[in-house]
Amino acid sequence: AQSVSQHNHHVILSEAASLELGCNYSYGGTVNLFWYVQYPGQHLQLLLKYFSGDPLVKGIKGFEAEFIKSKFSFNLRKPSVQWSDTAEYFCAVEGGSNYKLTFGKGTLLTVNP
Amino acid sequence: SQTIHQWPATLVQPVGSPLSLECTVEGTSNPNLYWYRQAAGRGLQLLFYSVGIGQISSEVPQNLSASRPQDRQFILSSKKLLLSDSGFYLCAWSVPNNQPQHFGDGTRLSIL
Repeated sequence: AQSVSQHNHHVILSEAASLELGCNYSYGGTVNLFWYVQYPGQHLQLLLKYFSGDPLVKGIKGFEAEFIKSKFSFNLRKPSVQWSDTAEYFCAVEGGSNYKLTFGKGTLLTVNP
Repeated sequence: SQTIHQWPATLVQPVGSPLSLECTVEGTSNPNLYWYRQAAGRGLQLLFYSVGIGQISSEVPQNLSASRPQDRQFILSSKKLLLSDSGFYLCAWSVPNNQPQHFGDGTRLSIL
């Protein structure tokens, strides 16, 4: 069975600070990897995805994530956060071809102006 | 473009009452459909998924059931709700072959 671990439950940053949210997964085979974001009062939205190819993927709003296969990691980064990035961020893994996503518990990001 | 609709947005039900949450997808055919429950600090838990009409896979044994009477309709049900069924329920869809899932706005279910 696959599992996902997000290291931080709550991260608090000031505007312009750099962000890195950790995500590690356990699954022995080929994986598809995702980061979803849920802004306050809004539905869950896809931030970025990795299926194959370049392990550094770029998403919306200046976010990027790097897949490091040897570390089973897919950390989310942004060089300079904004107040509008305040949201909850979920890492998710889809192992094999079973279409099932396993989510991490989420990281709440609070950006102070 | 594809859209997903969930209703109701909020629901308050007494213990022991039945439940029916509906999810429909527009703009695509034969989608994979999913029901999740989201709990604070616990992420999203997959409850059911379906790859076709009448095909339901249950991930977590519990008081809930799911049905897919039409290609783009996915229903979450219960005959008798428990207090522990309270939560935020999300429907999602995807197309096969390496495509991400897209989520509805969710239903906040409170059991009294």
